[in-house]
Amino acid sequence: GENVEQHPSTLSVQEGDSAVIKCTYSDSASNYFPWYKQELGKRPQLIIDIRSNVGEKKDQRIAVTLNKTAKHFSLHITETQPEDSAVYFCAASMGANAGKSTFGDGTTLTVKP
Amino acid sequence: GAGVSQTPSNKVTEKGKYVELRCDPISGHTALYWYRQSLGQGPEFLIYFQGTGAADDSGLPNDRFFAVRPEGSVSTLKIQRTERGDSAVYLCASSRGVQETQYFGPGTRLLVL
Repeated sequence: GENVEQHPSTLSVQEGDSAVIKCTYSDSASNYFPWYKQELGKRPQLIIDIRSNVGEKKDQRIAVTLNKTAKHFSLHITETQPEDSAVYFCAASMGANAGKSTFGDGTTLTVKP
Repeated sequence: GAGVSQTPSNKVTEKGKYVELRCDPISGHTALYWYRQSLGQGPEFLIYFQGTGAADDSGLPNDRFFAVRPEGSVSTLKIQRTERGDSAVYLCASSRGVQETQYFGPGTRLLVL
């Protein structure tokens, strides 16, 4: 089955700096890659997603890039703010079994004011 | 409108007992997902439904776990003969269709003593 690895497990940045989180996946058939933000004690919330027919997607301060050849995708957060502090999860699913998502183990991002 | 709701929010039970966890998805969402999340890990896929049928139940750990969605809306996750290792947060999510935005519920925190 699909295996998703996420790095780093923890990331600390200064307010205003950029943060990058990377994920690799094992199954080349995967074609949908969402990113979720989970604050302490709360539910995961989708922040951005990308499908395999595009290489990059941007939404204000958040962007995701996808390299299908290398089977990795990354989350980029620019101009970080303290409220960006949370656990971020990447996930992957494939068209043949689109409802089954495999998640990474998460990255705890801390933005220091 | 109302988001995904789950009941109970917390459940404490004794080893060997039977538990039922309920999920009310967003109205009109055809896809419904169950995940299990342990501390410090990403959500682990259990099962997903398209309408009333289980499209993929390959994530259910063993035959003590079962889920139903008889009318294509509310779903119940059932765990028989609970074990201490079943302790986790059980998350439900729904989406309009597969590979569309998944909206998570607040989760049920299950503790098996």
